[in-house]
Amino acid sequence: KQEVTQIPAALSVPEGENLVLNCSFTDSAIYNLQWFRQDPGKGLTSLLLIQSSQREQTSGRLNASLDKSSGRSTLYIAASQPGDSATYLCALGGYQKVTFGIGTKLQVIP
Amino acid sequence: EPEVTQTPSHQVTQMGQEVILRCVPISNHLYFYWYRQILGQKVEFLVSFYNNEISEKSEIFDDQFSVERPDGSNFTLKIRSTKLEDSAMYFCASNLAGRRSTDTQYFGPGTRLTVL
Repeated sequence: KQEVTQIPAALSVPEGENLVLNCSFTDSAIYNLQWFRQDPGKGLTSLLLIQSSQREQTSGRLNASLDKSSGRSTLYIAASQPGDSATYLCALGGYQKVTFGIGTKLQVIP
Repeated sequence: EPEVTQTPSHQVTQMGQEVILRCVPISNHLYFYWYRQILGQKVEFLVSFYNNEISEKSEIFDDQFSVERPDGSNFTLKIRSTKLEDSAMYFCASNLAGRRSTDTQYFGPGTRLTVL
């Protein structure tokens, strides 16, 4: 059974700081890993999707890495902005189903 | 930009009643999904649907749940006899090439279901 852990549960940083969010998982038999953003009371917005065969993906100020051997993924956010404040979820696309982490709640302070 | 829409945004029902949650996926997408998120808990996969049939379902998706694509645009989730523990936010998602692909899933804003 896939277990997904996200650390830290919450993070507060000053604007402009670079930060790293962590996601660890127990089963490396996956099709892909996806990072989502969830704003309060809203749906999920896909940020980055990394295929099982890939090591990283980049989009603007975001960079996500995947290390299946260690069961870890990181989401790096450069030069954080107040608009980045949200909950960030990682989701493992496994062979049987998608498994989500509970998320890291990020607050970027102006 | 095309988006997934869901109605209603909030549904309140009595325990034991049937509810139908509606979703309009992005028009050219072929794969459709339902997820739920109980307050304060993880998002959980319920079911995926392709070519007018269920392609995958989780252990949560028992006989109380059913999905249907009644016409060319809507995708519905029915809960036959709601229980208190069905109270959650229900998200619909869609994509073009299935969840095993590199094709991202697009999520709707969710329907908050409250069972009293």
